[in-house]
Amino acid sequence: SSELTQDPAVSVALGQTVRITCQGDTLRSYYASWYQQKPGQAPILVIYGKNNRPSGIPDRFSGSSSGNTASLTITGAQAEDEADYYCNSRDSSGNHYVFGTGTKVTVL
Amino acid sequence: EVQLVQSGAEVKKPGESLKISCKGSGYSFTSYWIGWVRQMPGKGLEWMGIIYPGDSDTRYSPSFQGQVTISADKSISTAYLQWSSLKASDTAMYYCARVPSGWETIDYWGQGTLVTVSS
Repeated sequence: SSELTQDPAVSVALGQTVRITCQGDTLRSYYASWYQQKPGQAPILVIYGKNNRPSGIPDRFSGSSSGNTASLTITGAQAEDEADYYCNSRDSSGNHYVFGTGTKVTVL
Repeated sequence: EVQLVQSGAEVKKPGESLKISCKGSGYSFTSYWIGWVRQMPGKGLEWMGIIYPGDSDTRYSPSFQGQVTISADKSISTAYLQWSSLKASDTAMYYCARVPSGWETIDYWGQGTLVTVSS
């Protein structure tokens, strides 16, 4: 079973803000990363570390963390942001990675 | 440009063996870890294990220990994932991914290799 828990699905109106959360005890020790996966495509990194965006990722994506919860916020969601989002971090041993259960984001 | 290029789709029968590959380019292959991720049809991402091609340090997720073998050939900048005896439940998309030495994140992904196991 996954050590990182996400809500299965969220929806957001076009142009509005949505927050996706990831909960797990290991997040008290390690930052989460966030990945976007569109149907039929490989995941891509959107946020890592405290709040870092790789080159090419729009600044409407941001990350934050508090206690055992990491969050990914999309401010001003666009139609192209409709995708599955996964968090990941190290597991409780620190020697392996683990993924969250995934959140399907629908842009209405 | 960093690229991870994986081998093509495979169709195998239960009990057969298989080795899929992931070739890295555009960076120092021996200075980054390469991980493998499974995604079963319609399901989420699962971490399988990771290898450091520089010294072949390999770590398997407990769920995959003994089920697969991860290896790398640094002379040709290629990592491998292999099975000795496939099962129908191994049917999935498999991704390789690059991990910086400090394990900060997974920064690049391969395009995926679809493995179908069916009699």
